[in-house]
Amino acid sequence: SQTIHQWPATLVQPVGSPLSLECTVEGTSNPNLYWYRQAAGRGLQLLFYSVGIGQISSEVPQNLSASRPQDRQFILSSKKLLLSDSGFYLCACLDRGLRTEAFFGQGTRLTVV
Amino acid sequence: AQSVAQPEDQVNVAEGNPLTVKCTYSVSGNPYLFWYVQYPNRGLQFLLKYITGDNLVKGSYGFEAEFNKSQTSFHLKKPSALVSDSALYFCAFDTGTASKLTFGTGTRLQVTL
Repeated sequence: SQTIHQWPATLVQPVGSPLSLECTVEGTSNPNLYWYRQAAGRGLQLLFYSVGIGQISSEVPQNLSASRPQDRQFILSSKKLLLSDSGFYLCACLDRGLRTEAFFGQGTRLTVV
Repeated sequence: AQSVAQPEDQVNVAEGNPLTVKCTYSVSGNPYLFWYVQYPNRGLQFLLKYITGDNLVKGSYGFEAEFNKSQTSFHLKKPSALVSDSALYFCAFDTGTASKLTFGTGTRLQVTL
C-alpha cells in the first residue's frame, strides 16, 4: 500500500524567510501528487498538482511554488514567507492503477511570525 | 465551475441516532465522488467512493453513501452514530482524468452522549 512521508510536522518561520516542505511517496509509481492548504481546520484549498516529473499545475496565484524533481518527490517552496502563508499543509498522492482514492500525509503546520 | 457543496458547517447528533452529512455536486460528465474524514491535526482518511454501478456505496467504519443523479447528491450516512465518529468530513470529486482532486468546505460532525 502507499505511504506518504511529509516533514516537518510543525514549523515556525519568520516573515520573509524561505520555505521548503518535502513530501515523498512509497508503494507506487508515477502517481499524481497534490499540495493542499487548510486554514483554521476547515476547507482544503488545492495549491498545486502534478501528473509527472517536472509537470506542475498551479491552482491559485500566490507566494508559493512547487517542484517535482523525482517521480515520488514533491516539494513546496517559497522565497519569502508572508503571514498569510500560515496554515496546515497536506500532501496527497493518487494512483490510478488499481485504486482511485487518494492517500494523505500527516500534514505540516506552518506558523509564520 | 465544477464543484461539490457541503451546505452544513456542523451536524450534531446523539450517539445511537442515525446521521446524515450532506453533499451536492455540480460536475459535468460522470464524476468520481469521495468521502474523507479528518481527525484533529491529522491528514485525511478515505471512507468511500462512487465511480459507477450500484448507487449505494458502503465504506469504512459502517458509513455508506447514496449517489442520486437526479438530485445531484452524494450524502454520507450511518445508521447509528458513535462518539468516536466526531470529526471533520469532506466530500470530494475528480473527473476521472485523475488530475484535480477537489474538496468541499467540510462538515464538522459532533456526536454526543
